[in-house]
Amino acid sequence: ETGVTQSPTHLIKTRGQQVTLRCSSQSGHNTVSWYQQALGQGPQFIFQYYREEENGRGNFPPRFSGLQFPNYSSELNVNALELDDSALYLCASSAGTSGFYNEQFFGPGTRLTVL
Amino acid sequence: SQQGEEDPQALSIQEGENATMNCSYKTSINNLQWYRQNSGRGLVHLILIRSNEREKHSGRLRVTLDTSKKSSSLLITASRAADTASYFCATAGNTGKLIFGQGTTLQVKP
Repeated sequence: ETGVTQSPTHLIKTRGQQVTLRCSSQSGHNTVSWYQQALGQGPQFIFQYYREEENGRGNFPPRFSGLQFPNYSSELNVNALELDDSALYLCASSAGTSGFYNEQFFGPGTRLTVL
Repeated sequence: SQQGEEDPQALSIQEGENATMNCSYKTSINNLQWYRQNSGRGLVHLILIRSNEREKHSGRLRVTLDTSKKSSSLLITASRAADTASYFCATAGNTGKLIFGQGTTLQVKP
């Protein structure tokens, strides 16, 4: 059984640029969630995808968008990067229904630095 | 906004001692989950306790939930140096979100 993987591991961008982060969910999982974790803080929920549809969103502006593909992998896109977007971006997958009724399996994260 | 608030923010103990971390939250929940994070890496799920449960065990971990007080505690017994990590509680309610607290940083000294 393959765990959750994320790419790239690290990324450096400049303010105003756009970035795409990728996540492959664990085998058999149909729900993917994305989180932003600033240094020294807890993860903050960005959004969740269930069967290719957005299902729940946190307090993030529209320049944070996502996709889920038929194989349940997912992308997080961030447009017009700001310095405060520098963080660890975590992806998590889970099985069963949408929502958070089951444990989440996290990937190792992508460290994004915005200069 | 962060719903779960962990207490203490930091905890330092000797190997073999027990570690207790507390989590308080504000709104009604379906379940509460505890996670561990080592050195800014991905989170590892520890225990999920549902709103109709009061206590759960997993190995050296014991989690309690008091919905009347909107609080939970995580007890790690006979701690080891490898337990050094940050521990987060996260609540799942009817909002369609999983909301994490700020975390407790645990240091276990050999």
